[in-house]
Amino acid sequence: GAGVSQSPSNKVTEKGKDVELRCDPISGHTALYWYRQSLGQGLEFLIYFQGNSAPDKSGLPSDRFSAERTGGSVSTLTIQRTQQEDSAVYLCASSLFRGGAITDTQYFGPGTRLTVL
Amino acid sequence: AQKVTQAQTEISVVEKEDVTLDCVYETRDTTYYLFWYKQPPSGELVFLIRRNSFDEQNEISGRYSWNFQKSTSSFNFTITASQVVDSAVYFCALSGNNNAGNMLTFGGGTRLMVKP
Repeated sequence: GAGVSQSPSNKVTEKGKDVELRCDPISGHTALYWYRQSLGQGLEFLIYFQGNSAPDKSGLPSDRFSAERTGGSVSTLTIQRTQQEDSAVYLCASSLFRGGAITDTQYFGPGTRLTVL
Repeated sequence: AQKVTQAQTEISVVEKEDVTLDCVYETRDTTYYLFWYKQPPSGELVFLIRRNSFDEQNEISGRYSWNFQKSTSSFNFTITASQVVDSAVYFCALSGNNNAGNMLTFGGGTRLMVKP
């Protein structure tokens, strides 16, 4: 079946502009995650959605970052007033969520490479 | 807090050599999961294996094998008879049961270069 898709694959923007990154999870996966991969920080968790529950925003680096998930499927990560340090690859992942002591495998999309000039 | 350490930042081998990628983790959780992902030059993270902390059996899948040792908090990955296509960055990751969202804590990654 189709995997996680992300768009755009590349985004170049000017400092101070807002950007929106999109993620389409695997059909049937109720959990959706955003991570960021940068040279200095490695792979770091940003935000997590599960079903209709309030998202876990504990990994967002500043209030310029926000995300939403419409209809329990597609998610958009928005970065306002972009800064050069926001340059990174933004990865989306999805998984089943059986809860309890079970951790299901997260499957990743190809990522969006964001460059802030 | 959880932590994953991959001490080897880069490894270079010649094709057909065996290579082991080390992963050491720290967690206070009683139940946790360990993962390995491969990131080829294309950039996408490809899932390789998921292991429950209660299952210490080693696993073999073709040329890949994994050695999980709870006593040393290690989850090492061995590639036998390496091939050029194995060249990639490999990430070890951890998720614990105190983590309601099961989000992953990643190691810094090991870049493996297999030369023909």
